Amino acid sequence: DVKVTQSSRYLVKRTGEKVFLECVQDMDHENMFWYRQDPGLGLRLIYFSYDVKMKEKGDIPEGYSVSREKKERFSLILESASTNQTSMYLCASSDLGRLNYGYTFGSGTRLTVV
Amino acid sequence: GNSVTQMEGPVTLSEEAFLTINCTYTATGYPSLFWYVQYPGEGLQLLLKATKADDKGSNKGFEATYRKETTSFHLEKGSVQVSDSAVYFCALSGDSGGYQKVTFGTGTKLQVIP
Repeated sequence: DVKVTQSSRYLVKRTGEKVFLECVQDMDHENMFWYRQDPGLGLRLIYFSYDVKMKEKGDIPEGYSVSREKKERFSLILESASTNQTSMYLCASSDLGRLNYGYTFGSGTRLTVV
Repeated sequence: GNSVTQMEGPVTLSEEAFLTINCTYTATGYPSLFWYVQYPGEGLQLLLKATKADDKGSNKGFEATYRKETTSFHLEKGSVQVSDSAVYFCALSGDSGGYQKVTFGTGTKLQVIP
């Protein structure tokens, strides 16, 4: 069963900490994405990547960075966590040549910054 | 740019009622259209899709028809069940800023009561 795996379902971190959210996919997809989901705001794209070591800013990249050293892994980094980054974080992947197949999502990481 | 507008929720229905969740979109070219579903505590799952005008996507009793003339992709189900309680996201894939990306609506929460 193909899937996208996010390393943690729940995280609690302190303000100012550096936080790593990990995402791994086993479908050999070129594209990977990080979204955050907040009530009333839907899904907002933070960063995406179309290839190893490649990254592009999404709609709300401030306060975040990403790393893609291997095709299957896409990491989201909160350089200095703040309380306004408390949210549900969703990773997704897709096949470069088959975008009309949509995205495959992970189960999400609910991050609380205290 | 591309955008998706869907009806605000929450929508509360009795079991076996008819469901419609409205979705309209703005996009250049010929996007593919999707409905995703998110059950409590989970990531998003692809529910159905349509890739060209007049296509009908269907899955698990849900249907949506790609209407280019009205730029709509309304989700319908003839008889909802308690297990359909979830958040439903309308989405489109298309060119945005030089990249093929998926744009999501803000989601509509459906609650089905026995």
